[in-house]
Amino acid sequence: AQKVTQAQTEISVVEKEDVTLDCVYETRDTTYYLFWYKQPPSGELVFLIRRNSFDEQNEISGRYSWNFQKSTSSFNFTITASQVVDSAVYFCALRVYNQGGKLIFGQGTELSVKP
Amino acid sequence: SAVISQKPSRDICQRGTSLTIQCQVDSQVTMMFWYRQQPGQSLTLIATANQGSEATYESGFVIDKFPISRPNLTFSTLTVSNMSPEDSSIYLCSVETDMNTEAFFGQGTRLTVV
Repeated sequence: AQKVTQAQTEISVVEKEDVTLDCVYETRDTTYYLFWYKQPPSGELVFLIRRNSFDEQNEISGRYSWNFQKSTSSFNFTITASQVVDSAVYFCALRVYNQGGKLIFGQGTELSVKP
Repeated sequence: SAVISQKPSRDICQRGTSLTIQCQVDSQVTMMFWYRQQPGQSLTLIATANQGSEATYESGFVIDKFPISRPNLTFSTLTVSNMSPEDSSIYLCSVETDMNTEAFFGQGTRLTVV
């Protein structure tokens, strides 16, 4: 069975602090994809990043960075110098290649960035 | 990429009635999905909408409660039948153009059942 765990339900930081959102996944399949989505208060899901299971290279995009480690089945997301506009719920998701494309979401982490 | 138009964006419905949600994509896509997000919760897949055949439902979801249509590669509907307050959720349409891309989501339908 596949599963995604985001152990942090809520995180509160002050603006300009760095914050890391944890994501641990479970799957027995060797081919899979991992995603991060942002859901601001308006409700839409904003795609942030996709990683496939064969690409463990970490990625940086502006203030965002992702650390993918297959050895620990983790795909953590760091926001550097957080801003109030980063306040949202962040979801980590898993797609297994032979499961028809569906996404399995973690419970989400609500990030609150205070000025 | 894919642009998804989902209607209605929100609705308040009486218990016992049904609501049909529409999902229109600006290009042909192979995979379309319907997710539910209950208040304060994560997203859960309801079903995969299959073009020209019956939808594939996830455990805990049944066709009688959530009938789905997909007449072509750009359009699908989800009906929430015989609604109760427990059906109050955000319902999201999602599409994928292929396995190597991200899933695209509609804006969601915020349903409140009173």
